Formats: sequence, structure tokens, C-alpha cells
Amino acid sequence: AQKITQTQPGMFVQEKEAVTLDCTYDTSDQSYGLFWYKQPSSGEMIFLIYQGSYDEQNATEGRYSLNFQKARKSANLVISASQLGDSAMYFCAMREREDGTSYGKLTFGQGTILTVHP
Amino acid sequence: NAGVTQTPKFRVLKTGQSMTLLCAQDMNHEYMYWYRQDPGMGLRLIHYSVGEGTTAKGEVPDGYNVSRLKKQNFLLGLESAAPSQTSVYFCASSRTRTSRYNEQFFGPGTRLTVL
Repeated sequence: AQKITQTQPGMFVQEKEAVTLDCTYDTSDQSYGLFWYKQPSSGEMIFLIYQGSYDEQNATEGRYSLNFQKARKSANLVISASQLGDSAMYFCAMREREDGTSYGKLTFGQGTILTVHP
Repeated sequence: NAGVTQTPKFRVLKTGQSMTLLCAQDMNHEYMYWYRQDPGMGLRLIHYSVGEGTTAKGEVPDGYNVSRLKKQNFLLGLESAAPSQTSVYFCASSRTRTSRYNEQFFGPGTRLTVL
């Protein structure tokens, strides 16, 4: 079974509008972390935002916020005021067993390609 | 700081040839990882290392070997390349669990084609 599922292969958004990229996950652990990475066409992986399973508030980093719904096991990325430079592939990833016994290993989703139109 | 670097950036191999991909990090990280990225499948973990001299298998280890003789270097070897190993390979590193975020830092990737 997929541990991380990103159901949107591609998304389109107008510049300056907000967009939500979906991510659902599957784990039996109580302590885990969720990450979003951005991969522009140049290929590098850029860390965007982190949410811990015990965090009471949704994570925010500038224009990025994470809509964390623990009961639904979803961790959607919200990008506000989209910019042309936001066009990229976006990956959701999970790190299980935040007690350290997973040695930091990440499990990635399939990715969503976001295209921002002017 | 260079962060995580990978050598080479591109490589074309013939089936059956061997090669080694080199990953180096200058952040004194304990943990290092090798992933492969294929279309529609995201990144999948090949092997990882939690310290100098130690390695472990990830999700897709078959056909690959690794070594971590020095803390800053993590080598990925293909002994007999197959077309199924055509992929983009990423190396990453991270601290141990001293940091809450503890995100993985990625290298620029190596695009490998096996003919």
C-alpha cells in the first residue's frame, strides 16, 4: 500500500491566486513528520515546510502553509499568492518513528506538477 | 559551504558496464542516503548510512552497492548496469535527531542512462 499519496499529477493556477496541493499518508506510528519539497525544472530538491504529528498548530513558512488534518491523515500544502517561480514539481514526504529509530528515512509521494499561468 | 555535491552530473553506460557515483557533504552530517527518481514514482530509497563504516538497505537495493569509508563521502556502485537502472540519482544527508526539523539536504542529482 502507498504510504504517501499525491492524487493530482498536475495542477494549474493563475498568478497571485492560492493553490492547494493534496497529500494523504498512511502510518500506524503516533510520532511522525511530514515534509514538502519543491523540485524546479533545474532538478534540485528544495525543502519547503515541516509538520510534526504532535504539533497543535499548522506549520507556516512565508507563503507556504500546511493544512494538517490528522484524523483524515492529510497534509495538504497551500501556496498563497502564487508566483511564476512556483512552477515546479512538489513532493510530499513522511518520516516515521520520530523517536529516531527510522534514521531519518523519508518516504515520498509521486509528486504534483504545478504550473503557474501569468 | 558546498552542501551536498554529486559526481558526475551525467553519465551514459552500456549494459553490463560498471560505475561509481560519488556523493560528498561538508556539513558533518551523520546520515546519508541514496535515492532514485523515476517518472510517476517519486523518490525511492536505495541505501542509506547512519555513520562512517555502516550501510543499510532501503526500498530498492537490488543491483546497487554502497560504501561509506569516510564520514563525508557516500559511494553508490553499479556492478553490472541494466537499462532498468536508467534514472536520476539523488544523494542526501541529514543530522541525527538533534533537530526537530532535521530535513534532508539533497545534492543536484546524477542523470544516468543505461543503453
